[in-house]
Order: sequence, then structure tokens, then C-alpha cells
Amino acid sequence: DTAVSQTPKYLVTQMGNDKSIKCEQNLGHDTMYWYKQDSKKFLKIMFSYNNKELIINETVPNRFSPKSPDKAHLNLHINSLELGDSAVYFCASSQYKQGGKLFFGSGTQLSVL
Amino acid sequence: GQQVMQIPQYQHVQEGEDFTTYCNSSTTLSNIQWYKQRPGGHPVFLIQLVKSGEVKKQKRLTFQFGEAKKNSSLHITATQTTDVGTYFCAGHDYKLSFGAGTTVTVRA
Repeated sequence: DTAVSQTPKYLVTQMGNDKSIKCEQNLGHDTMYWYKQDSKKFLKIMFSYNNKELIINETVPNRFSPKSPDKAHLNLHINSLELGDSAVYFCASSQYKQGGKLFFGSGTQLSVL
Repeated sequence: GQQVMQIPQYQHVQEGEDFTTYCNSSTTLSNIQWYKQRPGGHPVFLIQLVKSGEVKKQKRLTFQFGEAKKNSSLHITATQTTDVGTYFCAGHDYKLSFGAGTTVTVRA
């Protein structure tokens, strides 16, 4: 059983389109995250939710909107996709305490053409 | 804001040799974590260090946390082809910030 699963694994789309990435965790964790990994492998946190409350909201364009319907799910919707949005997006979860280790999903490779 | 610097960015190692990757934070950390990402894969948690001066070992991997809790290192002995990947440190003060990673390739 996959602990943190995200779909789709690959997403190829045209500029200007709107797309969503879904994430689910079955670890019973109370905190979930979205990270963006660029072509140089740099991992940048985008958002974090604890018990469905947004607790980290880094400098991310308004075109990105996270949504957490419950503790086990965190989705990412992206409007008006741009070329620069091409990257690998990782969902992760942890138990919220200072220093909780992250469990990552397998990633979504987004390619904007 | 908190910054975590990691060097070197790339490490090309002859199989059987040792190497070290270093991590430095601009602020004092409550803990530091290390992750490994295999090519095409996702980051996987390796270890967490919490105490000042802490040293932990996992087989051929040795992790250290500095006395001032602002730096850390990962030392791998007798590198094997299975060590290929990118190693990230992640420092935690009020949030977890990742270093840029050290990408390791191994020459057989």
C-alpha cells in the first residue's frame, strides 16, 4: 500500500490551460505539503496544511491554489499554466511536531508546452 | 530568512572511495534531516539529528550535527554504485528548508 500517492504521474499540457494534481496519504498524518522541484533539483516548499488549515504559504503565484478537503487529502490546482511552471511537484506528509520527518509521494512531472 | 547551503553540488566518486557532503545554515536549527533521492525517484528520509554534536551511523553513512547546531555533514565510506543519487539536508527552525542537494555519481 502506497503511503503517499499522487496523481497523475505525468501531466503534459498547453500554456494557458488549467490543471489539478491530487494527493492522498494513508499514514494518519495531520500535515501535508506541496513542494516544487526544478530542473536543478532544488526543492522549494509551496504550501503546508495542518489539520486542513493553511500554515505555510510561500511566495507562490495566485494561479496556484491548494485545497485540503480533509486531513488525508491535499490537492493543487493551477490556473493559466505558464512555461515556467514545468517542474516536478511532490506532495508530502508528516506528523506535525517540530522536526517531523517527511514522507514524499512519487511526484508529478508537469510539462507545459 | 533561514537559508541552508549545501556543498558540493556535484560529487563524482570512484567506487570504493570516500566522500563528504556539507550543510550550513544561516540560523541555529532545532534539528537537521537528511534525505536521498535516487534518479527518477522521490526524496526518502534517511535520518534526523537533534542534539548538539550528535553523530549517527547507518552502515557506511556517518551523519554529524555541529556543536552550534548550524552545520551538518554526511560522510560515505567505500562508495558503491547503490549510493548514486542526490543527497539533501533539510534544516528545521520554524519550517523545514532544504539545501540544494549533492548529486553523486559513481565510476565503477
